Amino acid sequence: GAVVSQHPSRVICKSGTSVKIECRSLDFQATTMFWYRQFPKQSLMLMATSNEGSKATYEQGVEKDKFLINHASLTLSTLTVTSAHPEDSSFYICSAGQGPNTQYFGPGTRLTVL
Amino acid sequence: QKEVEQNSGPLSVPEGAIASLNCTYSDRGSQSFFWYRQYSGKSPELIMSIYSNGDKEDGRFTAQLNKASQYVSLLIRDSQPSDSATYLCAALYGNNRLAFGKGNQVVVIP
Repeated sequence: GAVVSQHPSRVICKSGTSVKIECRSLDFQATTMFWYRQFPKQSLMLMATSNEGSKATYEQGVEKDKFLINHASLTLSTLTVTSAHPEDSSFYICSAGQGPNTQYFGPGTRLTVL
Repeated sequence: QKEVEQNSGPLSVPEGAIASLNCTYSDRGSQSFFWYRQYSGKSPELIMSIYSNGDKEDGRFTAQLNKASQYVSLLIRDSQPSDSATYLCAALYGNNRLAFGKGNQVVVIP
């Protein structure tokens, strides 16, 4: 199957700093990528849809100015958590689609904000 | 808000038994449904997709869909210790977005 990578896999940062997470589709082009967040013992919650060459579409309740998404190419989307706080500590997972019924998930990024 | 409900608590099954998981969804317009397996600390991996009413079998896994009842289920036959994981049900809705249930933890006891 198709491969989606994420970098970094794990990051620890101080409160107030910004963290950038990259999501890459390694062997296919993805016009759409999705960003999810998963808190411990909870399910994946869709944060936003990242569209190549246009603005991301955010789900209700997700602050677009705090979670900046850039999808500059057909193989790369980035999520920047700005002014991170401890409550932003979570498992961030991206996925890339090859059609409506096929989404490949990245391995996830564990963010810990001290 | 599109909702996918998985209400059962952790499920413990003996090795070799059948594990049965259930899921309901709120959006009658959803047409595609998925079961993902997630090991602790890892991202989800797709194990089954189903789009039509009825049963779909793939190896030891069988997915069942009933659109009239808005119900999806997953059976795992001959459960193995390696099947111990959290199983997430998901439904596809507008703009190819996935809504996930909270998951069911399955523990297979050797």
